[in-house]
Amino acid sequence: DTGVSQNPRHKITKRGQNVTFRCDPISEHNRLYWYRQTLGQGPEFLTYFQNEAQLEKSRLLSDRFSAERPKGSFSTLEIQRTEQGDSAMYLCASSPDSNQPQHFGDGTRLSIL
Amino acid sequence: GENVEQHPSTLSVQEGDSAVIKCTYSDSASNYFPWYKQELGKGPQLIIDIRSNVGEKKDQRIAVTLNKTAKHFSLHITETQPEDSAVYFCAASITGGSYIPTFGRGTSLIVHP
Repeated sequence: DTGVSQNPRHKITKRGQNVTFRCDPISEHNRLYWYRQTLGQGPEFLTYFQNEAQLEKSRLLSDRFSAERPKGSFSTLEIQRTEQGDSAMYLCASSPDSNQPQHFGDGTRLSIL
Repeated sequence: GENVEQHPSTLSVQEGDSAVIKCTYSDSASNYFPWYKQELGKGPQLIIDIRSNVGEKKDQRIAVTLNKTAKHFSLHITETQPEDSAVYFCAASITGGSYIPTFGRGTSLIVHP
């Protein structure tokens, strides 16, 4: 069990650019969640997958955001036309099912110049 | 939706003292309450959790209590050590279904040697 892995750890980009983050969940965890965390706040839910199916999206997830989990293993989160307000830590978590604890990765910190 | 309030926002103690962090929740259907510890530059790490059919749970120096009637739960850390210094988050969720936790805003615990 190597834990949830997220890449890159840090991303600095100019406003208007597109960025993509990757999450590798714990092996055989069916559930995968994306969260956003800003300074002084707890994680805020963005979206989640049950295997390859994206089952729910938060209203925080604007149409500039898209997430995929094509084979039910790793997931990607893409932000198009980044804005200053997108600067945050993006966290990924996984769990075996809907009754077991979620385990988080160390996140990708996004900074928009 | 669920609302989780967490207090205090900052807690400063001397090494060896006890620390208590309190959370309240609003949705009486919530039945799972995890606590996470987040160190600087890392993702939240699950340290203990409690389900609604249990009133108290202990794991070495850490304990969590739950009062379903009052809709509040607390984290107790005894014999605090400098390495306990971190931000602690409580969360409330409903297992099964989407299983999306709502997090408190966090408590920054500082343990002075």
